[in-house]
Amino acid sequence: DTAVSQTPKYLVTQMGNDKSIKCEQNLGHDTMYWYKQDSKKFLKIMFSYNNKELIINETVPNRFSPKSPDKAHLNLHINSLELGDSAVYFCASSPLAGASYEQYFGPGTRLTVT
Amino acid sequence: QKEVEQNSGPLSVPEGAIASLNCTYSDRGSQSFFWYRQYSGKSPELIMSIYSNGDKEDGRFTAQLNKASQYVSLLIRDSQPSDSATYLCAVKGGSTLGRLYFGRGTQLTVWP
Repeated sequence: DTAVSQTPKYLVTQMGNDKSIKCEQNLGHDTMYWYKQDSKKFLKIMFSYNNKELIINETVPNRFSPKSPDKAHLNLHINSLELGDSAVYFCASSPLAGASYEQYFGPGTRLTVT
Repeated sequence: QKEVEQNSGPLSVPEGAIASLNCTYSDRGSQSFFWYRQYSGKSPELIMSIYSNGDKEDGRFTAQLNKASQYVSLLIRDSQPSDSATYLCAVKGGSTLGRLYFGRGTQLTVWP
């Protein structure tokens, strides 16, 4: 009964490579998010999509490109990986109906760039 | 710049005590407030949400909101070692659909 799932859970790669992280939610939510949590545990929003439409795009290098093929999926592609991209990336989803805005997080993807 | 401030801790309490976690926010238009618990190496887990002034109780957890003071708190009664985690305060701002602003978290340790 996984609500928000991410793959892969761990990703170890070298500088300069391109990688993707996938996220899927089966909660029927309209909105999905990508967060980055650094080594100091600060959770910072990167992107948000509402029903496949980009609604939040924080100051993120354009090497990061989100894609939402449908409202249940939000993928994150990262080009030319750098050491500073090493972090845990969390996907989340939330309903917007009724102004709940409660966000539910996936298990995270720990990205290590060497 | 919308900010959410929390005491970083660590906060250390004995088993059975009340743990009090505090959070202040800068955006007066904020409408929705959340507490997340994050165990080491795990993802944030929503434990409480509160939308109106006053107290909201759920089991051993009580969330308190004071919009006039721009203050939200979480009380954990009868603290257990299993409550040891980082607690994140999150605030829904008055604008930008769905966007939450997170504090940096307070690390709580409950010792037996």
